Amino acid sequence: EAGVAQSPRYKIIEKRQSVAFWCNPISGHATLYWYQQILGQGPKLLIQFQNNGVVDDSQLPKDRFSAERLKGVDSTLKIQPAKLEDSAVYLCASSSLGSVAFFGQGTRLTVV
Amino acid sequence: GQQVMQIPQYQHVQEGEDFTTYCNSSTTLSNIQWYKQRPGGHPVFLIQLVKSGEVKKQKRLTFQFGEAKKNSSLHITATQTTDVGTYFCAAISNDYKLSFGAGTTVTVRA
Repeated sequence: EAGVAQSPRYKIIEKRQSVAFWCNPISGHATLYWYQQILGQGPKLLIQFQNNGVVDDSQLPKDRFSAERLKGVDSTLKIQPAKLEDSAVYLCASSSLGSVAFFGQGTRLTVV
Repeated sequence: GQQVMQIPQYQHVQEGEDFTTYCNSSTTLSNIQWYKQRPGGHPVFLIQLVKSGEVKKQKRLTFQFGEAKKNSSLHITATQTTDVGTYFCAAISNDYKLSFGAGTTVTVRA
């Protein structure tokens, strides 16, 4: 079974630039999560999708972050414009209705 | 959402010794999951606990869910260098929101 795929693995951008991350969940998983993990901290939930609907985005900085999951499969997370404090690893995870969450390798973003 | 607190934040262990890490919540949890993240890696699922007082073992790892379902613990016996990493507990809400604690980072002295 293929795992959760994320791209790119690494990204370096200047502040105020835009960046987008892509996630392809495990086939058949209805739930998709995007987490932000700052070095030394636990994953912080940014947004949770159930199929193509948003379940929770209470911690998503909506003035600069956006996410979509068209057709209930792949998802993209965008930051526009980026700030220095957005430097982190962005993790995508998927699960089948509250069971085990499988994580992708993550995208390490550095904002300079 | 449900929040979980983990202690200690760091655990330095002599190889061969035992240690325990704790996960606490101010609210009753429906269930709790534990994940391990190796340095430079991503979180990997270890176990899920659902029932009050539940105890599950995986080789040298013992997981426990409190009677009141407000706390959980992970006990590792005879620590090995392969146990290095950060251990997270995560609470699941009724709408499948998965909220992680800050984690316990384990280092092992050979």
